[in-house]
Amino acid sequence: ILNVEQSPQSLHVQEGDSTNFTCSFPSSNFYALHWYRWETAKSPEALFVMTLNGDEKKKGRISATLNTKEGYSYLYIKGSQPEDSATYLCAFIRTTDSWGKLQFGAGTQVVVTP
Amino acid sequence: DVKVTQSSRYLVKRTGEKVFLECVQDMDHENMFWYRQDPGLGLRLIYFSYDVKMKEKGDIPEGYSVSREKKERFSLILESASTNQTSMYLCASSVTVEITEAFFGQGTRLTVV
Repeated sequence: ILNVEQSPQSLHVQEGDSTNFTCSFPSSNFYALHWYRWETAKSPEALFVMTLNGDEKKKGRISATLNTKEGYSYLYIKGSQPEDSATYLCAFIRTTDSWGKLQFGAGTQVVVTP
Repeated sequence: DVKVTQSSRYLVKRTGEKVFLECVQDMDHENMFWYRQDPGLGLRLIYFSYDVKMKEKGDIPEGYSVSREKKERFSLILESASTNQTSMYLCASSVTVEITEAFFGQGTRLTVV
């Protein structure tokens, strides 16, 4: 059973369009939320680590918001480019979790077509 | 450029073989992790090490063991490989577990036949 749910599982985006997708997690005992981008044949790469309710992070055309009270985070891609094609993973950890136990979602696969 | 390096990208082993997956990081990180990734599932933690010779079981440790004799190297051992251990294996390291990013290796796709 995944405590972390990502939706949608996959999405197709036209180049130049903006898109967003969701990571949902239990809201109790929140500690931190991570976002990673995993391109085919490469290593997963960290995008953001978020710890505060209301936090917003930005990296180029990608941004993320966090709502710890309701248990969700959105990742936004503005003006999608083919190089944004990847699986985007979120992971969270609670204050009550044992050491090391980042809980990962199954990912949202994004395909950007020219 | 920080690096986590896994010894093999692809590996094919026979049922019952003992399999070693090696991971080396050059960032002097205390924490190292082994995950497996299967379709439709998130990365699942197999084992975690927070110091040399120290380890903690993750969510799915059965059928696996680990070794951390040096800070930079974390090995995953499949004692007797089985077909249900066919998977993508990812190694990672980090400064802290919770609030700093993890750095991942490129993954080892293991097929057990």
